[in-house]
Amino acid sequence: EAGVAQSPRYKIIEKRQSVAFWCNPISGHATLYWYQQILGQGPKLLIQFQNNGVVDDSQLPKDRFSAERLKGVDSTLKIQPAKLEDSAVYLCASSLGGLAGRDTQYFGPGTRLTVL
Amino acid sequence: AQKVTQAQTEISVVEKEDVTLDCVYETRDTTYYLFWYKQPPSGELVFLIRRNSFDEQNEISGRYSWNFQKSTSSFNFTITASQVVDSAVYFCALLRSNDYKLSFGAGTTVTVRA
Repeated sequence: EAGVAQSPRYKIIEKRQSVAFWCNPISGHATLYWYQQILGQGPKLLIQFQNNGVVDDSQLPKDRFSAERLKGVDSTLKIQPAKLEDSAVYLCASSLGGLAGRDTQYFGPGTRLTVL
Repeated sequence: AQKVTQAQTEISVVEKEDVTLDCVYETRDTTYYLFWYKQPPSGELVFLIRRNSFDEQNEISGRYSWNFQKSTSSFNFTITASQVVDSAVYFCALLRSNDYKLSFGAGTTVTVRA
């Protein structure tokens, strides 16, 4: 079974530029998550989708970050404009979702963003 | 609020030594799930184990074992006879069953020297 796919793996941009990350979850997984992991810290949830609807985006800086999952499968996370403090690894995860007991999250390899 | 504390920032051992990683959690939920993930230098978070709050049985999987003590709110992880490939950052995490929010500890970096 294929795991969570993410691209690109690395991205270097200058501040005030825009950037987009792509995620393809495990087939059949209804729930998709985007996390931000700053160096030396644990991942922090940015946004959670259930199919193509947003479940939780309370930690997403909406003035510059946006995310979508239009067809309930792939997702895109965008930052516009980027700031220096956005330098981090952006992790995508997916889970079956729904009933309790089907909520183990499986993570992709992440995208390492460096903002200069 | 829920919180996960991994007090050990870094642990360095020589190959074949045992290493125990501590995890202490706080939650008011009666139903919750605990996880351990491994993050090797490649960056991907690899799922290791999931334990629900009603199951306090300890678990062993190869060289890995986990000790869940509800009375002390701890879920510790031991690697027996460590190997260089065990070098990674290990995260303990707590998931609430009502909204499936996963809270991670800060991680423990394990370095196994040959």
